[in-house]
Amino acid sequence: GAVVSQHPSRVICKSGTSVKIECRSLDFQATTMFWYRQFPKQSLMLMATSNEGSKATYEQGVEKDKFLINHASLTLSTLTVTSAHPEDSSFYICSARVRGTGPYFGPGTRLTVT
Amino acid sequence: GESVGLHLPTLSVQEGDNSIINCAYSNSASDYFIWYKQESGKGPQFIIDIRSNMDKRQGQRVTVLLNKTVKHLSLQIAATQPGDSAVYFCAETWNYGGSQGNLIFGKGTKLSVKP
Repeated sequence: GAVVSQHPSRVICKSGTSVKIECRSLDFQATTMFWYRQFPKQSLMLMATSNEGSKATYEQGVEKDKFLINHASLTLSTLTVTSAHPEDSSFYICSARVRGTGPYFGPGTRLTVT
Repeated sequence: GESVGLHLPTLSVQEGDNSIINCAYSNSASDYFIWYKQESGKGPQFIIDIRSNMDKRQGQRVTVLLNKTVKHLSLQIAATQPGDSAVYFCAETWNYGGSQGNLIFGKGTKLSVKP
């Protein structure tokens, strides 16, 4: 149990375009999901907390207009990187909390902006 | 600010030996701790957790020890195998039974297992 999936696993896009990443909880309902960003050989950096049916809460320094988060249902949250630039290239990981334990992480999405 | 940190950034062990990965935390309000394993190019994998009302918790080949007096957390891996090679992160949070605080990650320790 407690499986979190992400799609796509890898994506390459051109500078200026937008990319959507999906995060799904496969066998449980997640009222809260989290989005992280990870640079090589570094720890995870929390970007935002996504709550079902309400606006996401962004961490300081994270541009909410650039990283759009939508938590449309109890099993799906999406992160859209708008007008992507090469510096947005990174490993994006979502996680979801299960009552009493976790959170559990998805496999991550490698974004490369050319 | 308060943070979770690790004493050793890298650890190299021989296959079959036991591994011990350490973590220091500074938030005395933290009441829930998790160890994650992250392999290259993958998301963190939940290994084991422990609540602050416990000192020790055992899983399959893994044991987590919590010393609240010195704010120290450790992960012990018995009979380390090549498949255990990865980066291990400790993480802390607080008020887990209620409105949980954000998860704070340590810097990570890279475990290398020599055959």
